[in-house]
Amino acid sequence: EEQLVESGGGLVKPGGSLRLSCAAFRFPFSNAWMSWVRQAPGKGLEWVGHIKSKSDGGTTDYAAPVKGRFTISRDDSKYTLFLQMNSLKAEDTAVYYCTTDFHGGNPHLLGYWGRGTLVTVSS
Amino acid sequence: QSVLTQPPSVSGAPGQRVTISCTGSSSNIGAGYDVHWYQQLPGTAPKFLIYRNSNRPSGVPDRFSGSKSGTSASLAITGLQAEDEADYYCQSYDSSLSGFYVFGTGTKVTVL
Repeated sequence: EEQLVESGGGLVKPGGSLRLSCAAFRFPFSNAWMSWVRQAPGKGLEWVGHIKSKSDGGTTDYAAPVKGRFTISRDDSKYTLFLQMNSLKAEDTAVYYCTTDFHGGNPHLLGYWGRGTLVTVSS
Repeated sequence: QSVLTQPPSVSGAPGQRVTISCTGSSSNIGAGYDVHWYQQLPGTAPKFLIYRNSNRPSGVPDRFSGSKSGTSASLAITGLQAEDEADYYCQSYDSSLSGFYVFGTGTKVTVL
């Protein structure tokens, strides 16, 4: 069964940085678009950004609240997705989910989801 | 903030039918972009329930159905069961400056 496993969450001070990883298992990762989605405690879902497959250009797009602070990258040789988060704010506190994107060729469908990793920004 | 509006909660007795609305605008649902629906059971990650407005992936019971019209979409659950108690989110694409992928505000379904 296909699986995504996030890691790297934790407690960080405002203004600090954190790097999340997402390991992919049992699906053709290099062909997949990948997204990050976050969920603040007790709140709804918020798309963070995505990275296309290298065959589709490997470009990234970001939601307005994180643009310029967050960077998504991928290492296809290691089946791993990354989210580099800089200049963190209290409002970035959330569970961060890694998901497949453009799932099954369906535009903006987020197919497989990891279990998430909690990021807490607090002094 | 979310640009797709859902009712905060809906409830029904076992066996009943409930519907969840998802209201957007001319820059997302009204522009023709597809709507997907996700179910988030308590304490778990979301999973997709309906894709491209009305399609069910394998394994999703046929008592879940979706539709889309104009600037809105809806999810219906017929024959409500206890295990359907969860949060439900619609999602689409938005072409405005706030753009890209947008989620609904989320709806908590309670089985009475």
